[in-house]
Amino acid sequence: NAGVTQTPKFRVLKTGQSMTLLCAQDMNHEYMYWYRQDPGMGLRLIHYSVGEGTTAKGEVPDGYNVSRLKKQNFLLGLESAAPSQTSVYFCASMDIQETQYFGPGTRLLVL
Amino acid sequence: SQKIEQNSEALNIQEGKTATLTCNYTNYSPAYLQWYRQDPGRGPVFLLLIRENEKEKRKERLKVTFDTTLKQSLFHITASQPADSATYLCALARGNDMRFGAGTRLTVKP
Repeated sequence: NAGVTQTPKFRVLKTGQSMTLLCAQDMNHEYMYWYRQDPGMGLRLIHYSVGEGTTAKGEVPDGYNVSRLKKQNFLLGLESAAPSQTSVYFCASMDIQETQYFGPGTRLLVL
Repeated sequence: SQKIEQNSEALNIQEGKTATLTCNYTNYSPAYLQWYRQDPGRGPVFLLLIRENEKEKRKERLKVTFDTTLKQSLFHITASQPADSATYLCALARGNDMRFGAGTRLTVKP
């Protein structure tokens, strides 16, 4: 039982490049979330999904897209990376008791 | 706009004492509030959840209170240990809206 896993762990991009972050969970949770965490700020919700095939915007969705084609996977895409997207990205899934389980994070540096 | 404030960026206490962390919020009516622990370089780990109709919850050495009139939650760690040193995050939620505080870094000194 791996819980929530994220790939890659670390990535460096140049401005304008694109990439996809992958989140996978093996707990059969319906709800999944993508957050970013910046120094001195709380986790901010980017997008979330309440089930396979559904996604919705969170607090800071601009510049990101997501897809939930399979229940266990939640993908976060950056179409044209900007330095302002340098951050640590966390994925989480939530059980029916509303407990969130977080992945280990992806550190992204955009030059 | 909604605002969540955790009392201080850092809190230092002596081993064996009780650590008290504060989470205040404005312009928000959470259905529930959670506390998470985050160690450096790792994702947050869930500790406790308290709902809007509850005043207090306990789990082993942890206690959380929730005052919806004051718009405040207090998080207590009794008989603190150096292993409790970490950053503690409060999170508020209503429906699918999730908001986190910036966290308080707790250091427990032997």
